[in-house]
Amino acid sequence: SHVLTQTPSVSVAPGQTASITCGGNIIGSESVHWYQQRPGQAPVLIVYDDSDRPSGIPERFSGSNSGNTATLTISRVEAGDEADYYCQVWDSSSAVFGGGTKLTVL
Amino acid sequence: EVQLVESGGGLVQPGGSLRLSCAASGFPFSTFWMSWVRQAPGKGLEWVANIKEDGSEEYYVDSVKGRFTISRDNAKNSLFLQMNSLRAEDTAVYYCARGSSGYGWNYYYYYMDVWGKGTTVTVSS
Repeated sequence: SHVLTQTPSVSVAPGQTASITCGGNIIGSESVHWYQQRPGQAPVLIVYDDSDRPSGIPERFSGSNSGNTATLTISRVEAGDEADYYCQVWDSSSAVFGGGTKLTVL
Repeated sequence: EVQLVESGGGLVQPGGSLRLSCAASGFPFSTFWMSWVRQAPGKGLEWVANIKEDGSEEYYVDSVKGRFTISRDNAKNSLFLQMNSLRAEDTAVYYCARGSSGYGWNYYYYYMDVWGKGTTVTVSS
């Protein structure tokens, strides 16, 4: 089954750009989705099908996917973006999540 | 307002059973796949099970196959998770989530676009 690899932690200063990656064998040929989970809260879908955003999600959040890496990019990072971020794909008959990346805003 | 509200969590002894419920509102429940996702304390998200719109298909993570059963009552806009033979490693917050799916150029995709706040299950003696 799929294994999705995420860097455990990323730190960025406010106003800068954060890149969170999700690695997997030929993940570029799959559809990748991203979730944000703030401390003590339920996950929220922020990007689906590699690069689409649900209504209400700021344009600062964008996604891309190619080769063996999918990337979530957060532009102009704000303090409120501090959270855990998870990538997810569907693998034949199961949903698979990456291990998660904790984004710290310095 | 689209909403999912879980209930039924609690403390249960190893080997025991628990039935979780999820009440859906604000959308046509019978037209969506539904999922259960769990999160052990301090850990990441783990998908548990999916059920098709009409209940005709179910999928489970290997660790719960034969012990957990997902079901739904479309007339009551409700999703359930029957958990039997519970183990300490089943301790987690359990989230109910609405699924959206479709086909790309050569792949099938499934994601969860609405989540409940979760219910806590603790398996301990």
